[in-house]
Amino acid sequence: DVKVTQSSRYLVKRTGEKVFLECVQDMDHENMFWYRQDPGLGLRLIYFSYDVKMKEKGDIPEGYSVSREKKERFSLILESASTNQTSMYLCASRIPGASSGANVLTFGAGSRLTVL
Amino acid sequence: RKEVEQDPGPFNVPEGATVAFNCTYSNSASQSFFWYRQDCRKEPKLLMSVYSSGNEDGRFTAQLNRASQYISLLIRDSKLSDSATYLCVEDLNNDMRFGAGTRLTVKP
Repeated sequence: DVKVTQSSRYLVKRTGEKVFLECVQDMDHENMFWYRQDPGLGLRLIYFSYDVKMKEKGDIPEGYSVSREKKERFSLILESASTNQTSMYLCASRIPGASSGANVLTFGAGSRLTVL
Repeated sequence: RKEVEQDPGPFNVPEGATVAFNCTYSNSASQSFFWYRQDCRKEPKLLMSVYSSGNEDGRFTAQLNRASQYISLLIRDSKLSDSATYLCVEDLNNDMRFGAGTRLTVKP
């Protein structure tokens, strides 16, 4: 089974702090994603990466940046955390394509961030 | 702009009941869809993929209606363990769009 591991399950940070959320997948998936999930809003895409060193903005990239220096690792960075970034952050990966099983997202367990 | 719409529920049903959820989407060009299940404070996990008119897996049946642009999820003989939030996902050229989810509670 594909495993997607997020480094921290729960974090509490203060406004203005820099926050790193790490995500590692172990099945050589090309695509990786960062979502945030808030009640009533569902999952919203922050950034995604088609492959190493590639990144694309999602629907809500403001206040975030990402890094993908290695295929298995996709990091989400909050340069200066704000209270409205309190949320559940979910990392996911997948193999893209049209074959059976392709495009299925596998998620990490999530990182619940609270910004005070 | 909400592209994938789901009834948030909650749906409260007795054990053994049949329950159905609908999900509407806005892009007629979308080729595939997914249903994910998410337990409280857990990550979403794939329940079913829907690539053509529908798919069936045991007690679960997903159907796609392209003319009306909706997909449905039918759960027969509900179990207590089916209690979860069910997320509808539209795949438009590798751009995955999530609904906000439908919450189901199955009661004894």
